Amino acid sequence: GENVEQHPSTLSVQEGDSAVIKCTYSDSASNYFPWYKQELGKRPQLIIDIRSNVGEKKDQRIAVTLNKTAKHFSLHITETQPEDSAVYFCAASKGGSYIPTFGRGTSLIVHP
Amino acid sequence: DGGITQSPKYLFRKEGQNVTLSCEQNLNHDAMYWYRQDPGQGLRLIYYSQIVNDFQKGDIAEGYSVSREKKESFPLTVTSAQKNPTAFYLCASSTRGTIYEQYFGPGTRLTVT
Repeated sequence: GENVEQHPSTLSVQEGDSAVIKCTYSDSASNYFPWYKQELGKRPQLIIDIRSNVGEKKDQRIAVTLNKTAKHFSLHITETQPEDSAVYFCAASKGGSYIPTFGRGTSLIVHP
Repeated sequence: DGGITQSPKYLFRKEGQNVTLSCEQNLNHDAMYWYRQDPGQGLRLIYYSQIVNDFQKGDIAEGYSVSREKKESFPLTVTSAQKNPTAFYLCASSTRGTIYEQYFGPGTRLTVT
């Protein structure tokens, strides 16, 4: 089955800095890669996703890049703000069932 | 916060007792899922159902059971056979087809002593 590795497990940055979270996946058939943000005590919510026919996608301060050859994808957050502090999960899934396999999460801490 | 709900928010049980966690959605989603969340473990899939009256085991199904008698409801029973049931449980739903986003419920924190 699919295996998703996520790094780092904890990331601490100063407000205004950039943050990068990286994930690798094992199944070359995976074609959908969502990122979820979970604030403390809240439910995970989708913040951005990318499909395998696209190399990069941006939405304001967040962007995701995908390298299909290397089987890795990354989340980039620019100009971080304290409200970006949360746990971020990457996931990978493929056509058919679209059951996502999640990474273990990255706890992002943005210091004011 | 509508769409998908879980109850109760906190649940306490004695060891050896079965307990059922509720999950209801009014999003008209075909697929529903149960995840277990432990610190540092991410989201691990317990069971999923893509259609009424059908469900499949996920990665950590041992000690759990589910039913899907209605499209809107997907209850999870944590049985006494689950060795370490204390955890945060998340229910999710999604459409089938071209939209892949999962919508999560607020979660139930189960404590077994």
